[in-house]
Amino acid sequence: DTGVSQDPRHKITKRGQNVTFRCDPISEHNRLYWYRQTLGQGPEFLTYFQNEAQLEKSRLLSDRFSAERPKGSFSTLEIQRTEQGDSAMYLCASSRTTGADYGYTFGSGTRLTVV
Amino acid sequence: AQSVSQHNHHVILSEAASLELGCNYSYGGTVNLFWYVQYPGQHLQLLLKYFSGDPLVKGIKGFEAEFIKSKFSFNLRKPSVQWSDTAEYFCAVTMNYGGSQGNLIFGKGTKLSVKP
Repeated sequence: DTGVSQDPRHKITKRGQNVTFRCDPISEHNRLYWYRQTLGQGPEFLTYFQNEAQLEKSRLLSDRFSAERPKGSFSTLEIQRTEQGDSAMYLCASSRTTGADYGYTFGSGTRLTVV
Repeated sequence: AQSVSQHNHHVILSEAASLELGCNYSYGGTVNLFWYVQYPGQHLQLLLKYFSGDPLVKGIKGFEAEFIKSKFSFNLRKPSVQWSDTAEYFCAVTMNYGGSQGNLIFGKGTKLSVKP
């Protein structure tokens, strides 16, 4: 499969615990994005990387959230001291920036439930 | 702030009916436009996209969309829906600054239910 892979698919955690999600983008895509989707809403942008550089972070991304893409390939999103409001689907997407026509490919997401 | 508006939260149609889902965005500059579909329990899939050229874009599964710049709109259409089109549809926009594509901004989505 050459699509965007996310792991795990589901995560249930107790409030206050830390969680980490992983995203493996399409290999030739240099941009990687993280989004969050809650029930009845469209995906909301969290942050994105171009290669290993984190170029933008949304104000939705509180200081409990941190994302890395250390070698410009896979990325991790960590949430520290989880809260019930963090329960959502966390989506990863990747894209190219070169070429005349490019789009975004999304992974299946990681569904986080904070109890 | 830039935003994307989808007019209908939930649309219910019978099979063979025609579909039009509205999408408007607020940005006066250059945009790229997308429609994504999310079938129950599945991930977002690209239906179609507009970057430049012919404002009438044809996508997969018989969907098309028309970019009307003067109306800041990118409505999705399908002449005859099927039960299998039951899904949630998201309009999304990237707003381009100085030749660089910005982030993908989504509308809240429209849930389509097609009755057999």
